[in-house]
Amino acid sequence: NAGVTQTPKFQVLKTGQSMTLQCAQDMNHEYMSWYRQDPGMGLRLIHYSVGAGITDQGEVPNGYNVSRSTTEDFPLRLLSAAPSQTSVYFCASRKEGRGTEAFFGQGTRLTVV
Amino acid sequence: RKEVEQDPGPFNVPEGATVAFNCTYSNSASQSFFWYRQDCRKEPKLLMSVYSSGNEDGRFTAQLNRASQYISLLIRDSKLSDSATYLCVVARGATNKLIFGTGTLLAVQP
Repeated sequence: NAGVTQTPKFQVLKTGQSMTLQCAQDMNHEYMSWYRQDPGMGLRLIHYSVGAGITDQGEVPNGYNVSRSTTEDFPLRLLSAAPSQTSVYFCASRKEGRGTEAFFGQGTRLTVV
Repeated sequence: RKEVEQDPGPFNVPEGATVAFNCTYSNSASQSFFWYRQDCRKEPKLLMSVYSSGNEDGRFTAQLNRASQYISLLIRDSKLSDSATYLCVVARGATNKLIFGTGTLLAVQP
């Protein structure tokens, strides 16, 4: 019963490099989201998707791209990494509807040097 | 001003104590309310949903006051294992976007 699987767990990038954070869920959830968590800021929404082929921007989308070609997968792409993108990234999924529980991946600790 | 405000703490309490956390939210269109728990360097996990009628789960009681836009969490008989960060979360909008508070750190001392 995998739930939400997020890879990698740790990553160090040089400024200007690009990379993709992977997220997959096996619960057939419609909604998937990416958050970043920084000290004193809480979790902030980067991008989200309400179903395959549908994505939208959250609170802090600049510098990130997403796509949702399947229900299961929701990768997050950093186009040109910057030190300001040093953070802990969480992917989450939940069923459509009010009051549904969000399930999170284990997080990716990203450092941009 | 953040949309969901919490006292960051830390709350240092002895085992067996009762501790209460409060949270306020600014958007009256918020529709659903939750408390999530996050252990150090781990992912958040749902602790409980919060309803206007109040709800209880063992030692944990959550309350919602829509008029005052205020959510609370009460933990009775604190255990060492309750040490964590407690995140207040509201959902709003057509897609029920989740808005997180910054969290309240609880440290239960032996």
